[in-house]
Amino acid sequence: SQQGEEDPQALSIQEGENATMNCSYKTSINNLQWYRQNSGRGLVHLILIRSNEREKHSGRLRVTLDTSKKSSSLLITASRAADTASYFCASYTGGFKTIFGAGTRLFVKA
Amino acid sequence: GAVVSQHPSRVICKSGTSVKIECRSLDFQATTMFWYRQFPKQSLMLMATSNEGSKATYEQGVEKDKFLINHASLTLSTLTVTSAHPEDSSFYICSARDSDAYQPQHFGDGTRLSIL
Repeated sequence: SQQGEEDPQALSIQEGENATMNCSYKTSINNLQWYRQNSGRGLVHLILIRSNEREKHSGRLRVTLDTSKKSSSLLITASRAADTASYFCASYTGGFKTIFGAGTRLFVKA
Repeated sequence: GAVVSQHPSRVICKSGTSVKIECRSLDFQATTMFWYRQFPKQSLMLMATSNEGSKATYEQGVEKDKFLINHASLTLSTLTVTSAHPEDSSFYICSARDSDAYQPQHFGDGTRLSIL
């Protein structure tokens, strides 16, 4: 399969709560990236974590990477209604390709 | 930040028509461009990868005669869906990356293609 796996597939939370999304991948990576997609739009890059990093922060975003488990998580703290979107992880293994996960659809209720 | 412009954003046309979608990098040189197809509520399916001046590399199952890709310059790639049929209706997204393969891709806003 071209895709990694993400869970949950869908997540509904109240504004102000934290949202955690998980991603698993299949092969060794150089880096892992998280993207956001608003409905009917292209993807926006959020954060990139390299294979030798374990945690990275950007504003309200926190990404962790566990290469021994081939997994990553994205935490959005103090969520806002505007965070409603689909979130994808993408693993880069070298060469030209980046493999996208199936995505998590996040809905933040105001 | 790096900007990728994709045009048109929406196309509605009759079966049998050929449709061209343009993808431009506005403020960087796109050494590599990618074309994806996305079905509703699903992830992106990579269709092909193109490097400037070279023939595109198509993923398994993607018909290269159906989906013509041209990447003639460092700022422009085009995808032409030839003799489109209703089953070709989808959301097509391009992305671009410069020569640093370890950097993220920059995405266009996608093209919603509807074939009647």
